[in-house]
Amino acid sequence: QVRLVQSGGGAVQPGRSLRLSCIASGFTFKNFALHWVRQAPGKGLQWVALISSDGMNKYYSDSVRGRFTISRDNSNNTLFLQMTRLTLEDTAMYYCTRGEVVPAFGWGQGTLVTVSS
Amino acid sequence: QSVLTQPPSASGTPGQRLIISCSGSNSNIGSNDVNWYQQVPGTVPKLLIFISDHRASGVPGRFSGSKSGVSASLAISGLQSEDEADYYCASWDDSLNGVVFGGGTKLTVL
Repeated sequence: QVRLVQSGGGAVQPGRSLRLSCIASGFTFKNFALHWVRQAPGKGLQWVALISSDGMNKYYSDSVRGRFTISRDNSNNTLFLQMTRLTLEDTAMYYCTRGEVVPAFGWGQGTLVTVSS
Repeated sequence: QSVLTQPPSASGTPGQRLIISCSGSNSNIGSNDVNWYQQVPGTVPKLLIFISDHRASGVPGRFSGSKSGVSASLAISGLQSEDEADYYCASWDDSLNGVVFGGGTKLTVL
């Protein structure tokens, strides 16, 4: 079955960087688009970014465009989210998830990112 | 403020039929499909409905989705206590060139 295992979260100061990883198994990774979705404490789901199956097309929410970069390594079944210039508003649980257009089948367990001085 | 509008809360009694609405615009629901998710607080979101009206594998038949114009709905029939959760809708937005979520609806089973 679809399995997505995340790593890389933690506590970081404002303005610093962090990279999240998501290792996939149970499906042909290179054939599927992938998303990052986040959820601030006590808040709703917020879409962050989408990458196409071949990695050529990337889409970002306005709140992270220019600061975050989504990428993937199809040879190692891994999805990444490089986050730079982090702000307090980036504090959230981050999920990787599979879906061609909209997040759908398979979600990672979530990784908490806390931005605090 | 979310691009897709959902009621912040809903409630019903066991056995009741309940509908959660999701209102958008021509650039999202009006021209793209809708997915629905269930999230029990403290757990990972779970896909319920995809492509507006298709139930995900393992989802009880009590859950159904529909779409008309710029609105979508999630119907839950035969409400059960385990249906207490937060429910979210999502769609692609052609103007924003990204995914938009509803603000979520907290369902309470009385």
